[in-house]
Amino acid sequence: KAGVTQTPRYLIKTRGQQVTLSCSPISGHRSVSWYQQTPGQGLQFLFEYFSETQRNKGNFPGRFSGRQFSNSRSEMNVSTLELGDSALYLCASSLNPLGSGNTGELFFGEGSRLTVL
Amino acid sequence: EDKVVQSPLSLVVHEGDTVTLNCSYEVTNFRSLLWYKQEKKAPTFLFMLTSSGIEKKSGRLSSILDKKELFSILNITATQTGDSAVYLCAVEPGAGSYQLTFGKGTKLSVIP
Repeated sequence: KAGVTQTPRYLIKTRGQQVTLSCSPISGHRSVSWYQQTPGQGLQFLFEYFSETQRNKGNFPGRFSGRQFSNSRSEMNVSTLELGDSALYLCASSLNPLGSGNTGELFFGEGSRLTVL
Repeated sequence: EDKVVQSPLSLVVHEGDTVTLNCSYEVTNFRSLLWYKQEKKAPTFLFMLTSSGIEKKSGRLSSILDKKELFSILNITATQTGDSAVYLCAVEPGAGSYQLTFGKGTKLSVIP
């Protein structure tokens, strides 16, 4: 079956712009979580969605937001981009939500590489 | 705040060597510890550990969890160049906390 698909794979933006990233989970998976990966900070949790509800958000400013659609596809948006937002943004899906006690394996997408100039 | 620390941050070994990667954690309410391998972009799942002292094995890779001392190790025997990757450790807290906390990873380089 198809894996987790993230688009776009690469993008370049300038400071002050906004960006929207998309994630299509594995068919049947209803939990989608987002992570920011940078060389200095590693992989940091952004937020998780399950059944169109944001259940938790990591320690990121309000410029980072997201949503999930009824087909479980998810988008994340970053407004007023800063240089420090340059990172690899990874999306992961799982059958069960995080913290359910039965989360099991997370399946990651290839990521969206964002460069802010 | 939940915390996951991996060591070493990087490691260079020769093919055939055995390596041990470490992961220690502090979490308010522990549910599971997960290991991932990241070669290029997408991390791929290796193991999920929930119980102390029970070793999980997959080929040349094995992992064990010590819930009393709050750490886990990942062993790779007879390393191959294909094992070169960043190995990530993550902790899933218990019910009521809906996020994973990752360590910064150990970059393993296996040279012929």
